[in-house]
Amino acid sequence: KAGVTQTPRYLIKTRGQQVTLSCSPISGHRSVSWYQQTPGQGLQFLFEYFSETQRNKGNFPGRFSGRQFSNSRSEMNVSTLELGDSALYLCASSAMGLAGHEQFFGPGTRLTVL
Amino acid sequence: DQQVKQNSPSLSVQEGRISILNCDYTNSMFDYFLWYKKYPAEGPTFLISISSIKDKNEDGRFTVFLNKSAKHLSLHIVPSQPGDSAVYFCAARKLSGGSNYKLTFGKGTLLTVNP
Repeated sequence: KAGVTQTPRYLIKTRGQQVTLSCSPISGHRSVSWYQQTPGQGLQFLFEYFSETQRNKGNFPGRFSGRQFSNSRSEMNVSTLELGDSALYLCASSAMGLAGHEQFFGPGTRLTVL
Repeated sequence: DQQVKQNSPSLSVQEGRISILNCDYTNSMFDYFLWYKKYPAEGPTFLISISSIKDKNEDGRFTVFLNKSAKHLSLHIVPSQPGDSAVYFCAARKLSGGSNYKLTFGKGTLLTVNP
């Protein structure tokens, strides 16, 4: 069974631009969660999607948004990029969401904002 | 507000010895605790978990202890191996509206096991 895949793996953008990151969960998994990892803050929860619906959201500004498609693939969008958005963005999938507690993470997308 | 704290950014131990990684939390509503291991350039991988109704869970070389009164948990690795060198994240789960859960992670501890 293929694992969680994220594309692209690396991305360089400039301030003010927008970016879209993609995540393909493990086949059969319906829940996709997104996290931001920075050296100073560790892993911070962005949002979770289940069956195309956002059912949980972290404390991030509205510039961070996401969506999930009918095949469970998910995209995350960040608009009007700021230097502080430079981070590793991780996607995690699970069969039933966090009620089942086990999540499988992708390798992440490293975003650098110049 | 850091609800899950890993106060040691790094830990270095000798191969064969015990590694003890610590985690403190502040929210008594957490009902499940997990440890993840992360190698560079890879996503975190699930290691071991413990329900808040238990005080110990063991899986091979890995044991997690939970002290609810102190709001403290620890991960013990015995014996430590060089391949255990990684960043270890402590995470806690709680209900966040209806039947939905949210995971809160600590900032991680870098474990280095020296041969």
